[in-house]
Amino acid sequence: GAGVSQSPRYKVAKRGQDVALRCDPISGHVSLFWYQQALGQGPEFLTYFQNEAQLDKSGLPSDRFFAERPEGSVSTLKIQRTQQEDSAVYLCASTWGSWPQETQYFGPGTRLLVL
Amino acid sequence: GENVEQHPSTLSVQEGDSAVIKCTYSDSASNYFPWYKQELGKRPQLIIDIRSNVGEKKDQRIAVTLNKTAKHFSLHITETQPEDSAVYFCAASIQEYGNKLVFGAGTILRVKS
Repeated sequence: GAGVSQSPRYKVAKRGQDVALRCDPISGHVSLFWYQQALGQGPEFLTYFQNEAQLDKSGLPSDRFFAERPEGSVSTLKIQRTQQEDSAVYLCASTWGSWPQETQYFGPGTRLLVL
Repeated sequence: GENVEQHPSTLSVQEGDSAVIKCTYSDSASNYFPWYKQELGKRPQLIIDIRSNVGEKKDQRIAVTLNKTAKHFSLHITETQPEDSAVYFCAASIQEYGNKLVFGAGTILRVKS
């Protein structure tokens, strides 16, 4: 079946611009994660949803970052007033349930470049 | 918080040789340790994982070992092939909501033919 998809795949933004990144998890997956991957680094946790509930947002770097999953499926990560340090690949991952040891399936990521 | 250290950062091996990547973690409550392979510009793909109730797991040319006492785990790839060239990430779970993972910084593996 279809895997996790993300759009857009690439986004160039001018500093100060707002951006919205979309994640479509695998159909029926309960849990959804957002990660930020800087160049040459491993993914870093941003936030976690179980259905529509955002249970952990401890990784969001500032109040400019906001994520939602209003109907428990598609999720949007919004970054307001983008800064150059926001340039990174933003990865989304989903799991079937909420059991702590489930496999996370990743999307292809959105590469954000802030000029 | 949880910290995962990964070594080496780059590894070059001759085709057919073995490759070993090592990771250490800090949270003794971690109980799930996946390994992901990421090719340039592609999504991370799970290649193998291990849970804390076992010490070793093998899948064809790939194996993972876990030492909970020492808080380290390793990826072993035997009979390496050029298509194994990629960045490999280890990760450890955090005992909070869901399956929050903390990733290592990655190892660039180059298999020379």
